[in-house]
Amino acid sequence: KAGVTQTPRYLIKTRGQQVTLSCSPISGHRSVSWYQQTPGQGLQFLFEYFSETQRNKGNFPGRFSGRQFSNSRSEMNVSTLELGDSALYLCASSFVTGGGHTDTQYFGPGTRLTVL
Amino acid sequence: GQQVMQIPQYQHVQEGEDFTTYCNSSTTLSNIQWYKQRPGGHPVFLIQLVKSGEVKKQKRLTFQFGEAKKNSSLHITATQTTDVGTYFCAGGETSGSRLTFGEGTQLTVNP
Repeated sequence: KAGVTQTPRYLIKTRGQQVTLSCSPISGHRSVSWYQQTPGQGLQFLFEYFSETQRNKGNFPGRFSGRQFSNSRSEMNVSTLELGDSALYLCASSFVTGGGHTDTQYFGPGTRLTVL
Repeated sequence: GQQVMQIPQYQHVQEGEDFTTYCNSSTTLSNIQWYKQRPGGHPVFLIQLVKSGEVKKQKRLTFQFGEAKKNSSLHITATQTTDVGTYFCAGGETSGSRLTFGEGTQLTVNP
């Protein structure tokens, strides 16, 4: 099975611009989560989508948004970019087992966003 | 909200020495997961613990979940250079995919 893929892998933007990142989950996985990874803040949960609906949301401003398509592919958008948005954005997919515990997350390689 | 703390932040060992990283949550966890991230890579799932007092082993790696389900540890016996990377614990909830990650312990192994 192919792993989680993310595009683009690297991106350079300037302050004030917006950006859209894409994630294709492992085939059969219907949940997609997004995380921001920075040296100072570590790995922080952005949001999770399941069956095209946002199921969970982290503590990020409204400039960060996402969506999921019927084929489970997901996109996240960041508007009005700030310097502090420079980070590695990781997408993770999971097979929803409904077993009463958090499902195993399979991470993609990430998109490295640099805001100048 | 839930906070997960992990120590130490860095650990340098000689090849063959043991290594332990500790994880502590501010709240009782439903489950805890451990991930490894190699330099330049992405987090890779290692294991999930769900029961109070649970201990699981994977070859040289031993994972423990505390009795109160608020702390956990990962112990590596006789480290090898292939163990290099950052080890993260992540607290999970009763459903969904949201994980609260610890800060990670960056392990370097000198040959």
